Amino acid sequence: DAGVTQSPTHLIKTRGQQVTLRCSPKSGHDTVSWYQQALGQGPQFIFQYYEEEERQRGNFPDRFSGHQFPNYSSELNVNALLLGDSALYLCASSTQTGREGYGYTFGSGTRLTVV
Amino acid sequence: GEDVEQSLFLSVREGDSSVINCTYTDSSSTYLYWYKQEPGAGLQLLTYIFSNMDMKQDQRLTVLLNKKDKHLSLRIADTQTGDSAIYFCADQYNAGNMLTFGGGTRLMVKP
Repeated sequence: DAGVTQSPTHLIKTRGQQVTLRCSPKSGHDTVSWYQQALGQGPQFIFQYYEEEERQRGNFPDRFSGHQFPNYSSELNVNALLLGDSALYLCASSTQTGREGYGYTFGSGTRLTVV
Repeated sequence: GEDVEQSLFLSVREGDSSVINCTYTDSSSTYLYWYKQEPGAGLQLLTYIFSNMDMKQDQRLTVLLNKKDKHLSLRIADTQTGDSAIYFCADQYNAGNMLTFGGGTRLMVKP
């Protein structure tokens, strides 16, 4: 059973560009959350998608947007990239009720470098 | 806002016990988690505890929760070099809600 799959694993972008990161959740999970982990820090919550809608959002600007598809997979889009957006972006899947186990299952992340 | 704090670094000898500490501010937290992150990898869920529990044991791992002081600890018995990693505690208000992470504790195990 595949866990959470993220693509690409690494990405280099130039300031001002736009980027799309992708995530496929663990089988049986219906909720996808995105986290940003800057170097040497803990993950920071960006937003969560359930039933194709953004359900919760952390303290991130509107440049960060997302989408969830009917098959529960998700995309994270970042516009007008800044150097400070360089980080490991983690996707995590879960269920709303915890019936599949508690906590989130994380993917290995996408390392984004903005130059 | 809500805050989760951890000490930055812990060094132990192989075979000793490790204790990693965490404090949190949200008294409404229902679930508390410990995750492990190895270099270049995502986060691996180690264990969790419900807020109505004081202790949970899972093989070499023991989690202690002092809800009055909002203090959580993770004890790793017989620490091995493979336990070297960054450990994050996180709290959650309700199943399905966002997790709030601490800054992580880097555990170094010396042979």
